Amino acid sequence: AQSVAQPEDQVNVAEGNPLTVKCTYSVSGNPYLFWYVQYPNRGLQFLLKYITGDNLVKGSYGFEAEFNKSQTSFHLKKPSALVSDSALYFCAVKDTGRRALTFGSGTRLQVQP
Amino acid sequence: DTGVSQDPRHKITKRGQNVTFRCDPISEHNRLYWYRQTLGQGPEFLTYFQNEAQLEKSRLLSDRFSAERPKGSFSTLEIQRTEQGDSAMYLCASSPQDGFSYEQYFGPGTRLTVT
Repeated sequence: AQSVAQPEDQVNVAEGNPLTVKCTYSVSGNPYLFWYVQYPNRGLQFLLKYITGDNLVKGSYGFEAEFNKSQTSFHLKKPSALVSDSALYFCAVKDTGRRALTFGSGTRLQVQP
Repeated sequence: DTGVSQDPRHKITKRGQNVTFRCDPISEHNRLYWYRQTLGQGPEFLTYFQNEAQLEKSRLLSDRFSAERPKGSFSTLEIQRTEQGDSAMYLCASSPQDGFSYEQYFGPGTRLTVT
């Protein structure tokens, strides 16, 4: 079975400060990990993925994520937050041999000016 | 726009009625997925097609739900005898068949309200 936990319902950060949105996962095989962002009245947009290789992956809009196998985590980060980053962020995992993504419950990021 | 499209964007129906949603994937993508998202939750997987073959189904996909992709292009999701608990956003996604493109690209969704 595959599962994802996003322990924070909401993260508040001031514009210009670094941000972190947390994600931990559980899979039986090798994890394939993803971050998506959802803006109001819009579909999910793909941000970045970890499949193999470097533990630090870079994605769209200046976001990056760090894969930590020992802690089974895949936290989303950005060095300097923008007000326009305010949205709902979802972490997702796919196990080897399956096509379905399992999503976390989402974290609302609020960036204050 | 060459992204995933879904129709209709909104559907209001009365309990007991049947509804059908359509999804058009990105043209070169042969993999297609349906998910359901309720308020305050992440999307939950319903079913997956590779070309016209339905290869994976969730236990969430009860007997009242059926999905098709007859020619390996667009897909339809039908819900028979709708219940109030079916009210949700229904999301469609697609992905290509190359080796490492496991990310899925989502459409805007169809919001279903059952009254």
